[in-house]
Amino acid sequence: AQTVTQSQPEMSVQEAETVTLSCTYDTSESDYYLFWYKQPPSRQMILVIRQEAYKQQNATENRFSVNFQKAAKSFSLKISDSQLGDAAMYFCAYRSAQRNTPLVFGKGTRLSVIA
Amino acid sequence: KAGVTQTPRYLIKTRGQQVTLSCSPISGHRSVSWYQQTPGQGLQFLFEYFSETQRNKGNFPGRFSGRQFSNSRSEMNVSTLELGDSALYLCASRGRGYSGSDTQYFGPGTRLTVL
Repeated sequence: AQTVTQSQPEMSVQEAETVTLSCTYDTSESDYYLFWYKQPPSRQMILVIRQEAYKQQNATENRFSVNFQKAAKSFSLKISDSQLGDAAMYFCAYRSAQRNTPLVFGKGTRLSVIA
Repeated sequence: KAGVTQTPRYLIKTRGQQVTLSCSPISGHRSVSWYQQTPGQGLQFLFEYFSETQRNKGNFPGRFSGRQFSNSRSEMNVSTLELGDSALYLCASRGRGYSGSDTQYFGPGTRLTVL
């Protein structure tokens, strides 16, 4: 079974600075998807960024980018120019490319942004 | 396009009762998945429905059941509630046959408290 590990339960960053959240996963598959989701306090979980495993190019979405290292099974999220609204729980998730497979989540990293 | 909606947002029940939660997916999405989120266990997959058929099921007891209707709306039922069933229940919808159909979009969740 696939597993996702987020080794940093909590992190903090100064406003306008850059922070990197770590994620590693374990799988024997070669085709899969990886995601970062953001869950603000008492608010809805939203998709931050997604990466297809067959693409070598790292995904980017405005201030959010990933460092996808397939061989190392590592998928870190970099947040540039951090804003107060970035404070949230961040979940790394894996999904097999096989049909009807669920998301497998890490335990999450709580990010605080300091003004 | 409206997002995933879940009703009710909050529920308080007592042990032994049963509860039904409802989820309406994004228009055009035919796949609905349910997840349980607790501080201790994190996010765990319950089941996925597509075209009114359960396509995958997580490792939960038979007290947890679900169904999907022809309009893709889904309900989740928990019978004989236990204290440990207190959690945030998240519903997610996903398109099929669309670009990015691997991506699940989450609703705001139903917060269930069992007393």
